[in-house]
This record gives sequence, structure tokens and C-alpha cells, in this order.
Amino acid sequence: DVVMTQSPLSLPVTLGQPASISCRSSQSLVHSDGNTYLNWFQQRPGQSPRRLIYKVSNRESGVPDRFSGSGSGTDFTLKISRVEAEDVGVYYCMQSTHWTNTFGGGTKVEIK
Amino acid sequence: QVQLVQPGSEVEQPGASLTIPCRTSGYDFPSYGIDWARQAPGQGLEWMGWISAYSGDTKYAQKFQGRLTLTTDTPTRTAYMELRSLRSDDTAIYYCLITDGRVPGLDFWGQGTQVTVSS
Repeated sequence: DVVMTQSPLSLPVTLGQPASISCRSSQSLVHSDGNTYLNWFQQRPGQSPRRLIYKVSNRESGVPDRFSGSGSGTDFTLKISRVEAEDVGVYYCMQSTHWTNTFGGGTKVEIK
Repeated sequence: QVQLVQPGSEVEQPGASLTIPCRTSGYDFPSYGIDWARQAPGQGLEWMGWISAYSGDTKYAQKFQGRLTLTTDTPTRTAYMELRSLRSDDTAIYYCLITDGRVPGLDFWGQGTQVTVSS
């Protein structure tokens, strides 16, 4: 199975300041069809996760544009341009390029 | 709208088997596969496996090969996850979900089933 490694584990951020989360994969996530199936999920406290980003950089409908995804190959980033209180939670990357899916270990975003 | 409904909690003994149903509604059942993931206390999400509701084809994470079986029942629109030979470290919240990274908006999660493995 492909291993997904996220950093940092915890990210204390001041309201209104940017935040950046890194996700690295043990193998390239470029699919044979040319697409890269790297997703980002948000899990707010006490809730089920929800997908924010699919195919590296595509925001789901209703996701604020302060969230952006970037990267290629094995190296990906989720950025929050200005953190708001409702962004507190744990963020996970997940690859669905390879035969079996794998999640990263998660990054907990909290307010300083 | 798409809904995935799971039981709230289950308690099982070590060595036993666990079966969790995931009852679906709001879409054409054979159209989407169903994934299963779990989250141990204070830990991250762990993808377990996937089943095609159309063909019954399955994929399992290497960690669960031989201990996990996913099935579906089309008439009742229900997916099942069976995990055998339970251990205390199987204590977790188990989620069924529909997610496809190729399709915008195709991301739906059950509310999760809290499973406690304890004697």
C-alpha cells in the first residue's frame, strides 16, 4: 500500500493568518490516465469527515476559496489563506490513484 | 439526497466477529462503490476496503487481508462490513462512505459506528 506522510502533526494558527499542510506519498500519484487523484478531507470535532479538494486542486462546491490545494507527483500542499474559527479540526490527505486508497496521518489545526 | 445510516454503537468480545450494516438511500444503489474506514481513539483515519455495489468486486488494505469481508445486498440497499478475530486495538469508529476522487461532489459519509472490543 502507498504510504502518505503528513506534516506537521499539529498546527497552531492565529486567526486571520495563513496555514499550510504538507502531504508526501511513497510513490507517484500520477494515474495511468494522466490524472492525479489526491484528495483533502476536513474533520471538524465530533463530525464525520468531508472532502474539500479532489484531484489535487479542485475545490468541492461550497468550500470557501481560502482553501487551496497544489502539488504534483509525490509532494502536495493544502493552504488556508486566512484561518477562521470554523477551520479548527483535523485535515487528511488521501490518495485514490493506486489500487487501494490510503490516508495520511492527519494534521490538527487549532487556534493559538 | 444520498444518505448512509449506520448503527450508533456495538460492543464485542476479543476473538469474536463484528458485522456492521450501512443502509443507503437517495441514489441508484449499483451506481457507486462503498468504502469503509475506521478511526481509533485519538488516531487518524484508516482506509480499510471498498466494494463495488454493481459487481461485488472488492479491494482490501493489506493490513486487513484475510480478516475483512465486504458484501452488499441490493434489494435492501445495504452494505456490510465483517471483521473477524477482533482484538482490543480494533476499538474504533467505523465509517461507511461513498467517495470517488474522479467525480466532483461524490463524497458522502455515514455517521460512524463506535465499536468497543472488550472482555
